[in-house]
Amino acid sequence: GAVVSQHPSRVICKSGTSVKIECRSLDFQATTMFWYRQFPKQSLMLMATSNEGSKATYEQGVEKDKFLINHASLTLSTLTVTSAHPEDSSFYICSAPDRGSGNTIYFGEGSWLTVV
Amino acid sequence: DAKTTQPNSMESNEEEPVHLPCNHSTISGTDYIHWYRQLPSQGPEYVIHGLTSNVNNRMASLAIAEDRKSSTLILHRATLRDAAVYYCILRPSGGSARQLTFGSGTQLTVLP
Repeated sequence: GAVVSQHPSRVICKSGTSVKIECRSLDFQATTMFWYRQFPKQSLMLMATSNEGSKATYEQGVEKDKFLINHASLTLSTLTVTSAHPEDSSFYICSAPDRGSGNTIYFGEGSWLTVV
Repeated sequence: DAKTTQPNSMESNEEEPVHLPCNHSTISGTDYIHWYRQLPSQGPEYVIHGLTSNVNNRMASLAIAEDRKSSTLILHRATLRDAAVYYCILRPSGGSARQLTFGSGTQLTVLP
């Protein structure tokens, strides 16, 4: 299947700082990417839909000024957690549909964020 | 989006077949049935999907009821590496912008 890669896989940052997570589609182009958050023992929750060349669409309750999304190219979307706090510590996962396989959605490996 | 219902957990013995059920009584005619699985500390992995007919691939088989109100993911020979949370998800057709909405899934435990 198609490959989606995230970086970093794990990051620890201090409270009040910002951290950027990258999501890349390695062998296909993606005009749309999705960002999810997952707390321990819970299911994935969609945060936002990233659109290449335009603004992201955020789910209800997700602060767009805190979770900045930039989809600068057809293979890269970034999520920046600004002014991070310990409650932002979570597993962040991106995904993208691959048109070459009938828009099947493929997921990245996930990024663990710990805010101390 | 239409909802799916799965058992919270299931157990299987290694090297035996596993049948993971999913109910989706409110499925619409354009909804595809997708299955993903998530191993600990990893992103979900695509397993299989179908619309009406049963589907087979190298990972699993998907059996879809004639009325499409339920489906079953079949792992023909469970291994310890199949231990994961399995998600049954309905995804409407309509292009790449339709995201996946995850339920709570089924935690599969494979016993050696």
